[in-house]
Amino acid sequence: AQSVTQLGSHVSVSEGALVLLRCNYSSSVPPYLFWYVQYPNQGLQLLLKYTSAATLVKGINGFEAEFKKSETSFHLTKPSAHMSDAAEYFCAVRLPMNYGGSQGNLIFGKGTKLSVKP
Amino acid sequence: AAGVIQSPRHLIKEKRETATLKCYPIPRHDTVYWYQQGPGQDPQFLISFYEKMQSDKGSIPDRFSAQQFSDYHSELNMSSLELGDSALYFCASSLDVPDTQYFGPGTRLTVL
Repeated sequence: AQSVTQLGSHVSVSEGALVLLRCNYSSSVPPYLFWYVQYPNQGLQLLLKYTSAATLVKGINGFEAEFKKSETSFHLTKPSAHMSDAAEYFCAVRLPMNYGGSQGNLIFGKGTKLSVKP
Repeated sequence: AAGVIQSPRHLIKEKRETATLKCYPIPRHDTVYWYQQGPGQDPQFLISFYEKMQSDKGSIPDRFSAQQFSDYHSELNMSSLELGDSALYFCASSLDVPDTQYFGPGTRLTVL
């Protein structure tokens, strides 16, 4: 079965500092990987996704993530944090369609709350 | 661009009551997913539909049922509500099952 582990339930950075949110996955086959952001009392917004194309994926708001098969990781980074980046970030995984009976549902990590200090 | 619409946005019910949550997918999207997010928890997959047929089932209680209608909107019906059903319920839609899921704003259900 697939699973996602997000290291650190809370991460705090200063404005302008590097943001690094960690995500490791477990899957029997190379999965599809996603990062979503959730602002307070709002829905989940897709930041970026990896679906077996380029391993370095660029998303919205200056975020990017790199798929590293050898490390089973998909860490999210942003060179310079902005106050508006404060939110909760979820890493999610799903299997390629129909593999192992998958019908595309996402499996989420526990989430990482990012705080940005002025 | 049009997004996923969920109604109502907030719902307060008593224990043992029933609730119906509605989801209107992005136009032309034919696949709908339902997720439940408890307080401080990650979203958990409940059920999905593709072309009006149930395509997958997750950790959905037997007290819950759902369907997708001819216009592709979906409804999640919840009966005999329990305190533990209090959560944020998300609907997501995609164009074809393998495609990216776009989430609605959620319905916050509070069971008293």
